[in-house]
This record gives sequence, C-alpha cells and structure tokens, in this order.
Amino acid sequence: QKEVEQNSGPLSVPEGAIASLNCTYSDRVSQSFFWYRQYSGKSPELIMSIYSNGDKEDGRFTAQLNKASQYVSLLIRDSQPSDSATYLCAVNGADSWGKLQFGAGTQVVVTP
Amino acid sequence: EAGVTQFPSHSVIEKGQTVTLRCDPISGHDNLYWYRRVMGKEIKFLLHFVKESKQDESGMPNNRFLAERTGGTYSTLKVQPAELEDSGVYFCASSQDLGWGAFFGQGTRLTVV
Repeated sequence: QKEVEQNSGPLSVPEGAIASLNCTYSDRVSQSFFWYRQYSGKSPELIMSIYSNGDKEDGRFTAQLNKASQYVSLLIRDSQPSDSATYLCAVNGADSWGKLQFGAGTQVVVTP
Repeated sequence: EAGVTQFPSHSVIEKGQTVTLRCDPISGHDNLYWYRRVMGKEIKFLLHFVKESKQDESGMPNNRFLAERTGGTYSTLKVQPAELEDSGVYFCASSQDLGWGAFFGQGTRLTVV
C-alpha cells in the first residue's frame, strides 16, 4: 500500500465547474498536509496547507481534512483552463516533520 | 525575493561519470531538502538539512550520492559514479520552519546514458 494515494486521472472538468480531488494517507500521526500544483515541466507550487480537521478556504481553493478517515481533499471552484495541471498531495512523514511524502498526483484538465 | 534556484537545469552524462547539482534556497530558510522524481514515479524524499547539518538522510539511495551544505547556505548533491537508474528530475526545496510547506526549485533533469 502506498503511503499517499491519489487517483491519477485525468479528471476532466468543464470550465466554471467544481473540480474535486481526493487524497488518502496511511500514517495516522501525520500532522501537516499540503497541495501542490505542477504544470508540465515546471516545479511543484505550494497552493494550500492544512493542519486541522475541517475546511480551509483560499480564493477559489478549499482544502478539507478528516484525520479520523485519513483523507484530505481539494476543491477548485469556478475552474479555469489555467487550472489544468497535475495536483500533488503531500503529507509530512511520521518519523520526520521535515520529510514530505507525495502522492503520484491527479491530472486535471479544464475544458472550455 | 528570489525563489529556490537550481543549476544546471539539464545535465546529460555518461554512465560512470560524476555530476554535481547545486541548489540555492530562499534567503533565510534554514531548512533545505532534496527530492527526486524518476520517470513514472512519485516525488521521493532524499534528505533534509537544517542549516549545515544533515537532519535526515534516510532517502539517499546509496553511497554514490553525497550532499553537502557548507556554511548553511547553498547545497550541492554529487552523484559519483552515475548509473542509468539515477536518471530523473532532482528537486531542491526550502522552508523557513519545520512542518510548513516547502518551496521548490525548478529542478535539474539528469539523464545518464
């Protein structure tokens, strides 16, 4: 079992709709959770961080965390073609706060 | 403010040669990380510096990889001798505090032929 799991996609989303991305993690003691956006050939870009159960909103992005169920999700509202990218879920390692464990990423394609 | 910068952006070397990758973190970030993504796989942790000290090097694949961060500023990652399976994209990242998200550089694409 992978430590951080994501659906690889591609997730096709009409422009203006909500994109919903899910991520599950295996280690219950993880405390920090992050979403990165990566355009093809570019570096991962940190877009959201969440540390407590519940929702955290930042612009068109909402991160949701449920530690009991060990999942974290990302909602992208009013999806735009510029949101087309791979979204990486990352979780801090149980044995090291400094070590991020990444999922393989979900490719999102926003269609006009 | 400059982000994390990495040099070179691409490197093609022959099996058995040596390559040194460089990373300049964001100014003031004590935490510096190296990650690697090999084709078709997820990004994997290699090691973590706090200032000039290696905090965690559990992800280093073997002793052909040597990372240094003299003076607690920039870092280098040397691969000697390089093998075919070392091909991939090597990312450097930095953060101000532990537990915060790290900011990534653009990566060095290493191809060993």
